[in-house]
This record gives sequence, C-alpha cells and structure tokens, in this order.
Amino acid sequence: EIVLTQSPGTLSLSPGERATLSCRASQALFNSHLAWYQHRPGQAPRLLIYGASIRATAIPDRFRGSGSDTDFTLTISRLEPEDFAVYYCQYYSSSSMYTFGQGTKLEI
Amino acid sequence: EVQLLQSGAEVKEHGTTVKISCTFSGVSFTDYNIHWVQQAPGKGLEWVGLIDPEYGESIYAEKFQGRVTITADTSTKTVYMELRSLRSDDTALYFCATGDFFLVVPATHRSFAFDIWGQGTTVTVSS
Repeated sequence: EIVLTQSPGTLSLSPGERATLSCRASQALFNSHLAWYQHRPGQAPRLLIYGASIRATAIPDRFRGSGSDTDFTLTISRLEPEDFAVYYCQYYSSSSMYTFGQGTKLEI
Repeated sequence: EVQLLQSGAEVKEHGTTVKISCTFSGVSFTDYNIHWVQQAPGKGLEWVGLIDPEYGESIYAEKFQGRVTITADTSTKTVYMELRSLRSDDTALYFCATGDFFLVVPATHRSFAFDIWGQGTTVTVSS
C-alpha cells in the first residue's frame, strides 16, 4: 500500500509570498498518476495539477508541480488571497487503488 | 460538458443504512468511471470506491470493504453509494467525482485524477 505524507501540516504565509508544499511517497511512483488538488471549505476539491507537473484547465501559471520518484512538490509562486485553502496530493496505482495525502493547510 | 449532481443531506441512526446518489449529465456516461470520496469533519479526503458503469465493476477501498456497495443505473445515468452498519465516524461529506477523457488510463479504463466533482452530500449519523 502506498502512503503519501504531506508536509508541512500547516503553512502560514502572507499574500505575495511563495508557498512550497511537499508530498513524499512510501515507494517510487509513476509520475503520470500523481495529482494535486485545492480544497476550500464548503466547496468540491479542484484539480490543480496532474501527471505531477501538468496544470489542469484554467489553473493559473503561479501553480507549479514538480518532482519524481518519491518526492513531489507543489509551488505557488505569488500567493493570492483565494489560494489560502487545504492542498492534497493524490496517487492512482495500477491496482485501481487511490491514495490521498493527509493535506497541507495553507493559512494567512 | 459533464456535470455530477448529488442527492441531498441525510441524517441516519447508528447501525442503519444510507444510500446517496450522483446523477451524471452529459454524453457517454459509460465512458466514465465514477468515484466516491469521503471527507469526515476535521479530516482529509479519503477514497471510498469506484464503479465502471460500462462493465458494472466496482472496486472498494479496504477500509470500506464489506460495508459499502456502489451501483449504477445506466438508464438514468445515476450512481448510488450504499453504506451499511453506520457508525459515528461515517459522519462526513461525500463527493462523487470522475476524470475527463484525458485523465483516463487507456489500459485500465480508470481515471487517474478527478477534474469533475459533485457538490457533496452530507451524511450525519446520530447515536
């Protein structure tokens, strides 16, 4: 079973700053199946990045995904007020199992 | 454009069963596998299971195996999630979700990410 560990649990930053969120896997992953989501309270999660580094439709270019093997990163280059939310990484394995990380809360 | 519309909030007693629905709008329902994701209060997202409506195949996360059944009615393009023997930690917001065609692994016919989500259904289990 693949375990995704996100860090930090909470990240406190200000608008305009850069955010770096980490997702570490318990074993090497197939990059194409690693995704990142943004989740605001009361809303459905929003897909930001898939294939580890491909921005989803209409996602601003301040969101960047990178990484490979067991270490993946979501970087938000210049935080906007609407970016303060919880972020999850997620992986699909070929055995049709889906795993989410425990989330990183990005707070002002 | 594909959209998912979920049924309304449910309040159930401990030990009973809940069945919530997710109605697909758009074309080619059977091209999309539909997933359920749980978010318990103060917790993160957890994958519950999926159904492939084309083949009627369902797969469940180990945590929910034996208590959950996901079914699909292709005539109404509706997917159902039934959760039995409800307990307090089943109190949660449940989302259905799927991935568009470019998010599907051709070899397995599975979405590897979810870009289409329902609005969520709250299930509250009272003791």
